Amino acid sequence: AQSVTQLDSHVSVSEGTPVLLRCNYSSSYSPSLFWYVQHPNKGLQLLLKYTSAATLVKGINGFEAEFKKSETSFHLTKPSAHMSDAAEYFCVVSDEFNKFYFGSGTKLNVKP
Amino acid sequence: EAGVAQSPRYKIIEKRQSVAFWCNPISGHATLYWYQQILGQGPKLLIQFQNNGVVDDSQLPKDRFSAERLKGVDSTLKIQPAKLEDSAVYLCASSLEIVGNIQYFGAGTRLSVL
Repeated sequence: AQSVTQLDSHVSVSEGTPVLLRCNYSSSYSPSLFWYVQHPNKGLQLLLKYTSAATLVKGINGFEAEFKKSETSFHLTKPSAHMSDAAEYFCVVSDEFNKFYFGSGTKLNVKP
Repeated sequence: EAGVAQSPRYKIIEKRQSVAFWCNPISGHATLYWYQQILGQGPKLLIQFQNNGVVDDSQLPKDRFSAERLKGVDSTLKIQPAKLEDSAVYLCASSLEIVGNIQYFGAGTRLSVL
C-alpha cells in the first residue's frame, strides 16, 4: 500500500533564505513521486516528478527534490525563498494504476 | 493547450438538496479523476475513469455520490442528497494512461452545504 507523510503542517521562512519541505513515503511498488503546489483559490500545479531516473529532480521556479530510497524520503528544497512561493505544497506517491496518494500538505509562509 | 475545465467554480446549497459538477479534461487524456479536498487536508480520490469505464470507485460514497463519463470525454459528478460534511472542494484531473504520468488538475468547484 502507498502512503505519504508530510512532516510539517506549517513552515515559515524569511525571503531569501532556504526552503526545506519534508516528505516521507511508503510504497509496495517502485514509486513515482511528485510535488504539487496550490495557491489560494487555484488548481494544483506540478512542481516536479520522480520516475526512477536521476535521484535529484529539478522542477519549476528553482525547486528541486532528492529521492533517497534508503530513507524513503523525497524532500523539496529551494535555495532562496521568494514571496511568491507562499502557498500549500503537497507530496504525492502514485501506484501502478496511476492512483495518487496525497500527503496532508505543508503551508509555506514567506516573511519579508 | 487548454487545461482541465470545471464548472461551476462555487456552489452553495442546503443539506438534502442535490448538486452536479462538470469536468472537461485535456483533449486526448484517457484517464479522468475526481477528488474531494476537505479544508486542511490533501485531496482524496473519489473515482477514476479510463475512457468511459470505471477503474476505481472504492472511496466513492455510492449511497449519495454518482459519476459518469459518457463517450469517454466530459464527466459529471453528482451528490444527492447532500450532507453538511460534503462541504469541500471537488477537483477534476486528467492524465494520459501511462503509469507514472502527470495528472493535470482543474481549478475545482468549492461546495458549501448549509
